Amino acid sequence: EIVLTQSPTTMAASPGEKVTITCRASSSVSYMHWYQQKPGASPKPWIYDTSKLASGVPNRFSGSGSGTSYSLTISSMETEDTATYYCQQWSSNSPTFGAGTKLELK
Amino acid sequence: QIQLVQSGPELKKPGESVKISCKASGYTFTDYAMHWVKQAPGKGLKWMGWINTYTGKPTYADDFKGRFVFSLEASASTANLQISNLKNEDTATYFCAREAEASYYFDYWGQGVMVTVSS
Repeated sequence: EIVLTQSPTTMAASPGEKVTITCRASSSVSYMHWYQQKPGASPKPWIYDTSKLASGVPNRFSGSGSGTSYSLTISSMETEDTATYYCQQWSSNSPTFGAGTKLELK
Repeated sequence: QIQLVQSGPELKKPGESVKISCKASGYTFTDYAMHWVKQAPGKGLKWMGWINTYTGKPTYADDFKGRFVFSLEASASTANLQISNLKNEDTATYFCAREAEASYYFDYWGQGVMVTVSS
């Protein structure tokens, strides 16, 4: 099973600040996907196939990476971006998720 | 529009069983695999396995073999999750999630069902 390690676990950003969340895989993966989850809600697909934005996701979000290192970046933090973000990979017919990064507003 | 609507919250005692449903609408049910994901209170997401909605064949992640059963009511576009011999550690929210076409991620999610196991 491929283990995904997200960092940081928790972070706070000011409005307008650039935010980067990283996800490291224990073995090389072909793609990384990201979800946004707010309290009491189901996860929403946010970035898929490493860098494609899901429908409705603002273009201040971007995704990048390859091999064992991937990242989600917010170019300019907004209030509505406060949430927990999870990375997810799918290899050997066994999807796994990272533990999540909780993003708060400073 | 595409929706996955799950059944309501459940309160059960240890040793009991529970069955959760996930009704799909807005697409051809048998064209997309359905997955199940567990989220314990305050914790992250854990993949439980999936069911082939065309053949009905289930596949379980290692941690969910034995007490967990995925099933279908294909005529009703519904996927079910049954958990038997409930334990306190089964207390969690259970999500159904549709596998995206041509990509290995989950593009639609149910609203989740909170299952509480308590004596």
